[in-house]
Amino acid sequence: EAQVTQNPRYLITVTGKKLTVTCSQNMNHEYMSWYRQDPGLGLRQIYYSMNVEVTDKGDVPEGYKVSRKEKRNFPLILESPSPNQTSLYFCASRVGLFTSTDTQYFGPGTRLTVL
Amino acid sequence: QQPVQSPQAVILREGEDAVINCSSSKALYSVHWYRQKHGEAPVFLMILLKGGEQKGHEKISASFNEKKQQSSLYLTASQLSYSGTYFCGTEANMGRRALTFGSGTRLQVQP
Repeated sequence: EAQVTQNPRYLITVTGKKLTVTCSQNMNHEYMSWYRQDPGLGLRQIYYSMNVEVTDKGDVPEGYKVSRKEKRNFPLILESPSPNQTSLYFCASRVGLFTSTDTQYFGPGTRLTVL
Repeated sequence: QQPVQSPQAVILREGEDAVINCSSSKALYSVHWYRQKHGEAPVFLMILLKGGEQKGHEKISASFNEKKQQSSLYLTASQLSYSGTYFCGTEANMGRRALTFGSGTRLQVQP
């Protein structure tokens, strides 16, 4: 079954305590992304990766890091979380860029609260 | 810059039609459409590419007017299952491939 998995699904942490949210896909997709979703603001792209070792900033990259050492994994790192990073985070992978079969699959989401 | 969606919310009766619009101030390469139900992840509906096109997916279809940088999502003969929030996402530059979403249109279909 085609899947994008994220862990943890829920996380409560404190300001400044480094954390990593993992993301994995089993579809051999080259393109992966991280988004955050906040009420009234829709989805905003944090970072994306077009392939292993290739990453680029989205609209809201400040305070986040990513790495893409393997095709299937794309972890999101918050080195010093702050309360304004409290949000719902989605990882996604995409296949067939800019073709008629282009499709993006989202993970189930990670709800992060930073106190 | 975030694309602008309209309307922000719409309430329909089953069987009625709806149109959701998405417009951008930038020249676009592609427009995506997604539906998200409460408490769930967004689900991809379709992508429309530069060159201007229309696409259909069951009773849901969309068009992309490249000259106006506008896309419209058409929901015909709506069903209860169509309820949710619809987002458009735009890509302005094929090389960079960053995706920017609108703030969403909340659709509620009532019996």
